[in-house]
Amino acid sequence: SQQGEEDPQALSIQEGENATMNCSYKTSINNLQWYRQNSGRGLVHLILIRSNEREKHSGRLRVTLDTSKKSSSLLITASRAADTASYFCATDESRGSTLGRLYFGRGTQLTVWP
Amino acid sequence: NAGVMQNPRHLVRRRGQEARLRCSPMKGHSHVYWYRQLPEEGLKFMVYLQKENIIDESGMPKERFSAEFPKEGPSILRIQQVVRGDSAAYFCASSALGAGVFLETQYFGPGTRLLVL
Repeated sequence: SQQGEEDPQALSIQEGENATMNCSYKTSINNLQWYRQNSGRGLVHLILIRSNEREKHSGRLRVTLDTSKKSSSLLITASRAADTASYFCATDESRGSTLGRLYFGRGTQLTVWP
Repeated sequence: NAGVMQNPRHLVRRRGQEARLRCSPMKGHSHVYWYRQLPEEGLKFMVYLQKENIIDESGMPKERFSAEFPKEGPSILRIQQVVRGDSAAYFCASSALGAGVFLETQYFGPGTRLLVL
């Protein structure tokens, strides 16, 4: 299946450090999105990167996409305790029959210690 | 500009009862998606609807589950004769444009946490 896989499963860092999370997927995609989920809450959209883009920035977030390796990374710079959450990558598929659905991995649990 | 609204936020049902979950998309959005999340798991796609149309329900169990998005009112995910395995968080998302060459951003609601006793 297309389901993405985040790596690592858990990441624990100190405030001020950078956090890097990776995502791999299996089939061709149109887009890849990163979401954040605080414990027991809904998902917050962070950033969308299209298949023809290689890098995108939004504030302290930097996302890269390597379609040849079917992988993406999310970098959070100068992390804060408030960044503590689960981070998910979500991909679509470029096949027409499954347009509309997003495939999520199990997420990376990021803990930022004050 | 209110985001995606879901209610109830928490729902407790006994085995065999029915569960109705509601989702109001963001203003101006006519595409709705439902996902289910089991503990410690990512979200799994269930169904994709437009107003009065089911576009893709291939992620939804064939029995006991149904979804609708009427011309007026919220989208409804209905689970009949619930079982303990239905306990999960159910998330709704909406988008302004549907899936075309480029999938538009899906914005998620806060979810409904269903507990089946």
